[in-house]
Amino acid sequence: GESVGLHLPTLSVQEGDNSIINCAYSNSASDYFIWYKQESGKGPQFIIDIRSNMDKRQGQRVTVLLNKTVKHLSLQIAATQPGDSAVYFCAENSGYSTLTFGKGTMLLVSP
Amino acid sequence: KAGVTQTPRYLIKTRGQQVTLSCSPISGHRSVSWYQQTPGQGLQFLFEYFSETQRNKGNFPGRFSGRQFSNSRSEMNVSTLELGDSALYLCASSLRFGLTSYNEQFFGPGTRLTVL
Repeated sequence: GESVGLHLPTLSVQEGDNSIINCAYSNSASDYFIWYKQESGKGPQFIIDIRSNMDKRQGQRVTVLLNKTVKHLSLQIAATQPGDSAVYFCAENSGYSTLTFGKGTMLLVSP
Repeated sequence: KAGVTQTPRYLIKTRGQQVTLSCSPISGHRSVSWYQQTPGQGLQFLFEYFSETQRNKGNFPGRFSGRQFSNSRSEMNVSTLELGDSALYLCASSLRFGLTSYNEQFFGPGTRLTVL
């Protein structure tokens, strides 16, 4: 498959563990944030989003936390599965339909 | 409903040539954005189109251009290719202009451009 990034921070977990992926964003004016998952050879896939008027949002097995004070986002994945192995990106939107992406974190899940 | 499609999926060009990449958004989507993805720089915004008009442009040289047609399909063109233009070019579409929880952006699989 195609590599989406070299020298990415890597998080290695065991199947069944909870995973936490962190992201620092850059623009204090950003008001909408998204986490994407990218598997080898594919485009980014939407996981969960959160608006700046919220601190926490939950989805199926995923939770996003937003700390605007320190411009920090985190993605928590419960009961991580081998199929969760991918590169995860946070993205911020401060207007238009333009996204500014973080550098990404590679999640490796061992069975 | 078909997703975002991009053609071609793979392309090899030589320095100095030009290239045109195509993107067909999800049916009914009118906003199309383009991104460049490289191992060194990650995902970077190129430009965004809505209703055949460029609404926003990233920090790329004028060699990078694009357009959108009346059926919302979009093309991007890179002229005078350089080695550093080798990248995965991603297209994303959304229903309307401006992202919200009800107007998500969906990505295509990308076009892998290699410049020799």
